[in-house]
Amino acid sequence: SQTIHQWPATLVQPVGSPLSLECTVEGTSNPNLYWYRQAAGRGLQLLFYSVGIGQISSEVPQNLSASRPQDRQFILSSKKLLLSDSGFYLCAWRRTGSSGNTIYFGEGSWLTVV
Amino acid sequence: AQSVTQPDIHITVSEGASLELRCNYSYGATPYLFWYVQSPGQGLQLLLKYFSGDTLVQGIKGFEAEFKRSQSSFNLRKPSVHWSDAAEYFCAVVGYGNKLVFGAGTILRVKS
Repeated sequence: SQTIHQWPATLVQPVGSPLSLECTVEGTSNPNLYWYRQAAGRGLQLLFYSVGIGQISSEVPQNLSASRPQDRQFILSSKKLLLSDSGFYLCAWRRTGSSGNTIYFGEGSWLTVV
Repeated sequence: AQSVTQPDIHITVSEGASLELRCNYSYGATPYLFWYVQSPGQGLQLLLKYFSGDTLVQGIKGFEAEFKRSQSSFNLRKPSVHWSDAAEYFCAVVGYGNKLVFGAGTILRVKS
């Protein structure tokens, strides 16, 4: 069966420090991968999605970047964090082939920028 | 571009009462629609989805949703709410570019 792992689960970082959140999927190949952010009291905002290795689409201009160095690995990064980067970050994956395929989410990573 | 509107930010219902959470979408073609639930501090769990066939879909935990194309709606319902249903609920649509777009969410509170 397929599983998705996301880490770290919680992170407290000072303003201006770098960020790296990692997500890996097991049990499938060539998944579509997504990074979402959920700020306190708000809905989910799509940040990045990827349909293949090295292919990244950015949805919102921001202080973050994403990379997909391997088929089942998706990394969210920042060179210098801002206070506004605080939030709950969710990685997700979906099988390719049909838009109706379910998207599955990781457990999420809480980022607090202080 | 596709979009999803959940007009109710908070809803409070009594335990045992019926529930309906509203969702309206904007998308030019036949949409793929989802409802997810999120407990505090947790990831999202799929409740149900629609992409063809019967417009009334059944999900887990006793939830159902009805797709109404004429109203661009996909409302979530449950005939009798349990205290454990308290959570945040998200409606989502897959549209252009295979992107999943979420509504802002509805927080459900259940009072005993």
